[in-house]
Amino acid sequence: GESVGLHLPTLSVQEGDNSIINCAYSNSASDYFIWYKQESGKGPQFIIDIRSNMDKRQGQRVTVLLNKTVKHLSLQIAATQPGDSAVYFCAENTGGGGADGLTFGKGTHLIIQP
Amino acid sequence: ETGVTQSPTHLIKTRGQQVTLRCSSQSGHNTVSWYQQALGQGPQFIFQYYREEENGRGNFPPRFSGLQFPNYSSELNVNALELDDSALYLCASSGLYGRSTDTQYFGPGTRLTVL
Repeated sequence: GESVGLHLPTLSVQEGDNSIINCAYSNSASDYFIWYKQESGKGPQFIIDIRSNMDKRQGQRVTVLLNKTVKHLSLQIAATQPGDSAVYFCAENTGGGGADGLTFGKGTHLIIQP
Repeated sequence: ETGVTQSPTHLIKTRGQQVTLRCSSQSGHNTVSWYQQALGQGPQFIFQYYREEENGRGNFPPRFSGLQFPNYSSELNVNALELDDSALYLCASSGLYGRSTDTQYFGPGTRLTVL
């Protein structure tokens, strides 16, 4: 079946470097994508979202890129800090008439090296 | 903090029992979605409630049921608990229109352990 997935389960970066977390999706009907951050013992925290009529969106220290041609989504975190250590999930929604809920990938564990 | 609260924080049940989990949505939100997150996995959509009615459902059996109240808080009920039901149960509230593109804000979750 169609699903959202991530390329790497773990990503280790040096503090201060930029981080790039990737996500592939296969549902061509998806038109809304979200990145969530989940720290240990907590619920997912909204980071940034993007709709399919855009290819880039920026927030505070974060940028999401969407390439619909290859069905790829990425999250860039600038100047990574220790507090960025968490599991990052991409999620998609088809935006259809019914409530299909969000489809999540398995997550990427971002580890910040001092 | 999202303003979404869940209770209890942790719960231990035995196989065959029934459980009720509760969620209070963020102020101004009238849509509540429930997710199950197994250890090491991403959350999986159970169902969504909008204006007190089920508005969509994922691939979960009927023993997973829910309610939404006039104040938009919600309950998740699970009957005949199985060992595989052990997971973190997440509630998310969103928007005013029950649209799938409304941003969902998650609560801290309830950790259910079934023995």
